[in-house]
Amino acid sequence: SYVLTQPPSVSVAPGKTARITCGGNNIGSKSVHWYQQKPGQAPVLVIYYDSDRPSGIPERFSGSNSGNTATLTISRVEAGDEADYYCQVWDSSSDHHYVFGTGTKVTVL
Amino acid sequence: QVQLQESGPGLVKPSETLSLTCTVSGGSISSYYWSWIRQPAGKGLEWIGRIYTSGSTNYNPSLKSRVTMSVDTSKNQFSLKLSSVTAADTAVYYCARVTHGGLAFDIWGQGTMVTVSS
Repeated sequence: SYVLTQPPSVSVAPGKTARITCGGNNIGSKSVHWYQQKPGQAPVLVIYYDSDRPSGIPERFSGSNSGNTATLTISRVEAGDEADYYCQVWDSSSDHHYVFGTGTKVTVL
Repeated sequence: QVQLQESGPGLVKPSETLSLTCTVSGGSISSYYWSWIRQPAGKGLEWIGRIYTSGSTNYNPSLKSRVTMSVDTSKNQFSLKLSSVTAADTAVYYCARVTHGGLAFDIWGQGTMVTVSS
């Protein structure tokens, strides 16, 4: 089955840029979606279709996808961005199903 | 705006069937895919399955033999049954709406904790 690999953790100082990668075989051929999950809360969609932002998500959140890596970029990081982030794709290659990445904990220093 | 609310027992005995319902409010359940996703404590997200309002389903291959989903459009609800549960099924269970071409989860319930224990 399709596997999405993320770094377990990313640390970033306030005001700097955080980049979270999501690796998968030829992931550039798929649409990638990103979720932010704060402790005790449900995930929130922050990026869909690789780089689109839902209404209400700050422009500081952006995404890209090419080759074997998708990236979520958080610019001008704020303390409130500290959370777990998950990438996700729809895998139609065999059994049709959704796949989540392993998750990345973003810590704001 | 559309809101989702999970409901069901918080404690299930091993080998029994876990049953949860998700109630959709603030909008119609029609013409969308709806999903169940779970998250064991301290771990990542695992997709369980999805159902369209026609009743068409897709399940996670790793859980397919134990999962059944159904939808009741008259009540704006959809449901999950997971049979033969073990301690490994202990998790927070979320229901979610699937949108953006059936590819992403844009609205989530708050989640409900289900513990499998005798």
